[in-house]
Amino acid sequence: AQSVTQLDSHVSVSEGTPVLLRCNYSSSYSPSLFWYVQHPNKGLQLLLKYTSAATLVKGINGFEAEFKKSETSFHLTKPSAHMSDAAEYFCVVPGMDSSYKLIFGSGTRLLVRP
Amino acid sequence: DGGITQSPKYLFRKEGQNVTLSCEQNLNHDAMYWYRQDPGQGLRLIYYSQIVNDFQKGDIAEGYSVSREKKESFPLTVTSAQKNPTAFYLCASRTGFPPYEQYFGPGTRLTVT
Repeated sequence: AQSVTQLDSHVSVSEGTPVLLRCNYSSSYSPSLFWYVQHPNKGLQLLLKYTSAATLVKGINGFEAEFKKSETSFHLTKPSAHMSDAAEYFCVVPGMDSSYKLIFGSGTRLLVRP
Repeated sequence: DGGITQSPKYLFRKEGQNVTLSCEQNLNHDAMYWYRQDPGQGLRLIYYSQIVNDFQKGDIAEGYSVSREKKESFPLTVTSAQKNPTAFYLCASRTGFPPYEQYFGPGTRLTVT
């Protein structure tokens, strides 16, 4: 079965400093992986997606993630945090049954201090 | 602009009343989904539809019903049988090719008192 584990429920950074949100996956093969962001009372927005074409994936708003098969990780990074980055971030893997439902990590809430 | 719309944004109902949440997409996707989100929790799948006139129960379908009469529309009815209907409801549609990512609407917050 596919699953993802987000290692931190909360991450706090200062504006202008790097962001690291950690995600490990469990799969019997190399999966597709996504990162979504959710601002308060909003829907989820796709930040980036890994499809095995390249291990370093660039997304919107300056975010990127690196797929590391040896570590079964797909951590999300950004060189310099902005106040508008404060939100909840979900690491997600698509299920491989006929529903193609998304399997969500528990989420990481990013706090950005001025 | 292509996307998914949900209405209303906020909905208040009394216990015992059925309520229908609207979801419309113009992305030309065949597959659509309804998820429920509770505070501090991830998203749980209620129903999904892979094609017009067909839909399947998800993980928490009890107390909910759906229809899929048009490709663009996938309304969700929260019935009086749903024991804890107060939640944030999200609709999504899915691409038809790998990696099968989903695109979400802005959500409807339902409060039942």
